[in-house]
Amino acid sequence: DQQVKQNSPSLSVQEGRISILNCDYTNSMFDYFLWYKKYPAEGPTFLISISSIKDKNEDGRFTVFLNKSAKHLSLHIVPSQPGDSAVYFCAASYSGNTPLVFGKGTRLSVIA
Amino acid sequence: NAGVMQNPRHLVRRRGQEARLRCSPVKGHSHVYWYRQLPEEGLKFMVYLQKENIIDESGMPKERFSAEFPKEGPSILRIQQVVRGDSAAYFCASSPLRAASHEQFFGPGTRLTVL
Repeated sequence: DQQVKQNSPSLSVQEGRISILNCDYTNSMFDYFLWYKKYPAEGPTFLISISSIKDKNEDGRFTVFLNKSAKHLSLHIVPSQPGDSAVYFCAASYSGNTPLVFGKGTRLSVIA
Repeated sequence: NAGVMQNPRHLVRRRGQEARLRCSPVKGHSHVYWYRQLPEEGLKFMVYLQKENIIDESGMPKERFSAEFPKEGPSILRIQQVVRGDSAAYFCASSPLRAASHEQFFGPGTRLTVL
């Protein structure tokens, strides 16, 4: 019974184009949503987050959009670079210091 | 300015042995979380600790698994009498008392292989 779902296991994008990674959730009590990037044999690295009271957060090439009514969020990377090739995890948390609930991840390949 | 440290990075155990995984959080962080990742899966929460206290262990199996975060020293995740199904990557994360963005900082993980 997955509360955070990433339905695309993989995504291929050409260098310079936009990468869009999607995430759906089922629990409307989630307070914060986060995106992590993970390279093989390393731990996840925080990318960007968004509060449930906002609908957009931008940080350089990375923008996260939140649609609460649809319980959907997406991560946009533009322009995509070969170094962006990694597994991207969507995660959600409740208010306060609480454990993160992760999706299964999407493997992004940026082709030069 | 060290991040989260985990050791060992790789651990091989035979069935029935004990595995002991260590995690040193970011300096000044008082919250530690342990997650497990099975192949082709996302990270699954196991246990959340503050110094000398277990706050939430709802994701940790009731038998064979235990965790601690003593007043001094690293957090320890202990798995007794390991079985093949325990083979996974175990990640530790830490956060400060109040993390504005709810960000948790992850260590590089310990890859446990049970023969």
